[in-house]
Amino acid sequence: DAKTTQPPSMDCAEGRAANLPCNHSTISGNEYVYWYRQIHSQGPQYIIHGLKNNETNEMASLIITEDRKSSTLILPHATLRDTAVYYCIVRASNYGGATNKLIFGTGTLLAVQP
Amino acid sequence: ETGVTQSPTHLIKTRGQQVTLRCSSQSGHNTVSWYQQALGQGPQFIFQYYREEENGRGNFPPRFSGLQFPNYSSELNVNALELDDSALYLCASSPSRGFFTDTQYFGPGTRLTVL
Repeated sequence: DAKTTQPPSMDCAEGRAANLPCNHSTISGNEYVYWYRQIHSQGPQYIIHGLKNNETNEMASLIITEDRKSSTLILPHATLRDTAVYYCIVRASNYGGATNKLIFGTGTLLAVQP
Repeated sequence: ETGVTQSPTHLIKTRGQQVTLRCSSQSGHNTVSWYQQALGQGPQFIFQYYREEENGRGNFPPRFSGLQFPNYSSELNVNALELDDSALYLCASSPSRGFFTDTQYFGPGTRLTVL
């Protein structure tokens, strides 16, 4: 079972910041938070990941609370092309050759409105 | 740098047939994972291959099998197709450096329809 809880859907106005929440209250100390998105009928696209510090890249920012029980993905200026299902996933760091499989939930459908 | 590619894009089979799906991993990646995504669901992990050996398997029956080749490309084979096997099949590759296996990058998927 997925270890994360996300709202099933959200709306955002084009040009505004989209803030997608994720709850992972049972996260372990060695588990990373990963975000992927999936535009209709395409393969999931990697966005960002983090362990405990906030992270930023060219696509998004990831804010992880100090207790690591929740996080927020921020798309700073949403466009229509950001309309997609966004998946928040917790994944253990896998030393020793263990599988780095991803366990997906049902994600959040973000609809960016013109 | 070439990303993950999959073939074919779409496929239609009938119940009881066998199917082979193919995946070319991203350059420099030696680990390949396969996922099944039914309509309206998130992807479900089938199995993973690392350096030509299976390295973890999800809750799928033995009629789902795979191979990884020396160039790290991979095949997913499904025997005795059932209607419920209709799904988007996704391949993801990732680099492994020593003991640590890194972020997975997905291909566009193969849409399989079983009639």
